[in-house]
This record gives sequence, structure tokens and C-alpha cells, in this order.
Amino acid sequence: AQKITQTQPGMFVQEKEAVTLDCTYDTSDPSYGLFWYKQPSSGEMIFLIYQGSYDQQNATEGRYSLNFQKARKSANLVISASQLGDSAMYFCAMREIYNFNKFYFGSGTKLNVKP
Amino acid sequence: DGGITQSPKYLFRKEGQNVTLSCEQNLNHDAMYWYRQDPGQGLRLIYYSQIVNDFQKGDIAEGYSVSREKKESFPLTVTSAQKNPTAFYLCASTPQTGAMNTEAFFGQGTRLTVV
Repeated sequence: AQKITQTQPGMFVQEKEAVTLDCTYDTSDPSYGLFWYKQPSSGEMIFLIYQGSYDQQNATEGRYSLNFQKARKSANLVISASQLGDSAMYFCAMREIYNFNKFYFGSGTKLNVKP
Repeated sequence: DGGITQSPKYLFRKEGQNVTLSCEQNLNHDAMYWYRQDPGQGLRLIYYSQIVNDFQKGDIAEGYSVSREKKESFPLTVTSAQKNPTAFYLCASTPQTGAMNTEAFFGQGTRLTVV
């Protein structure tokens, strides 16, 4: 079974609107961490936001927030007030406590922000 | 400035040739990783190393080899046994702190094309 599933290969959003990128994960470890990265066309990977499995509150970083639903094993990224510079690939990733040095990545979602 | 340097940025290889991709970090990180990314797809783990002189196979190690003689360096060799080596290769590192929320830091990537 895949550890990280991103079911939206591509998404469009109008500039200034909010968008949600989906991510579901599969683990039986008691402790794990979830990460979101942005990859512009240049190829670099930019870390956006982190959510720990024991965190009580959803993580937020500026315009990025994480909608964490532990029982459903989902960790969706919400981008508010989309900007043209948000157009990129977005990857969800996970690390587990019992396999600490392995990061599992999803297949990514390509976000296009329309002016 | 601390970071991860991958070189070269673009690499062309003839079929049947071995080629080595360089990855150097000055972040004093213990763990280093190599990922392969195919167009429109996610990152797949090739090899990772948690400490000098030790490394483990990832999910797609066949046709690749690595070494970790120094903490700062983790070169990847793409051998002639790799059937379809054309891809984007990303090197990453993390500290061995045990902190779940520590993200992986990435280099700028090397785009390998077999001609």
C-alpha cells in the first residue's frame, strides 16, 4: 500500500481565492510527522509546513494551513489568497518514528493559479 | 551560507556509460538521501545514508551505487545497468537529532539525460 496518496494530479484556482490540496497517508506507527513541500519549475524543494501526529492544533504558516484529520488519516494543505507565484508542484511527505530516516513522498499536485 | 550543492545542474550521458552525480552539504547533517523524480511524478528513494561508511537501499536502488566516505559528501553513480536513467535527481539531508519535525533539506537537483 502507498504510504502517501495525493489524488489530484492537477488543480486550477483563481488568484486571491483559497485552494485545498488533498493528502492521505497510511501508517500504523504511534508517532509520525507530515510535511508539505513546494516545487517550482526550477526544481528546488521548498519546505512549507509541518504537522506532528500528536499536535492538538492544525499547523499554520502564513497563508498555509494544514487541515489535519487524524482519524481519517488526512493532512490537506490549504492555501489562502492564492498568488500567481503559488503555481508549482506540491508534495505531501511523511516520516515515521520506527523508520525515522525515511521520508515518504506522494506523487504531487500541480497547482495553476489563474489571473 | 549553509546548504546542499548538487553538480552538475544538467548532465548528458551516452548509453552504456556510468556517470556520477555530486552532492555536498555543509549543514553538518548526518543523514543524506538520493531521490529520483520522473516528469509529473513524485520522489522515489534510491539510497540513503545515516552515517559515514554506511548506507541503505531505498525503493529503486537497482542500477545505482553510492558511497559515503565523508560526512559532507554522498555521490551517486548511475551505472549502465540502470535501464531508464533519464530523470531529475534530488539530493537531501537531515540532522540526526531525533526531532520528528525536522524537515529534509534539498539541493537544486541534477537533470540527467541519456542521449
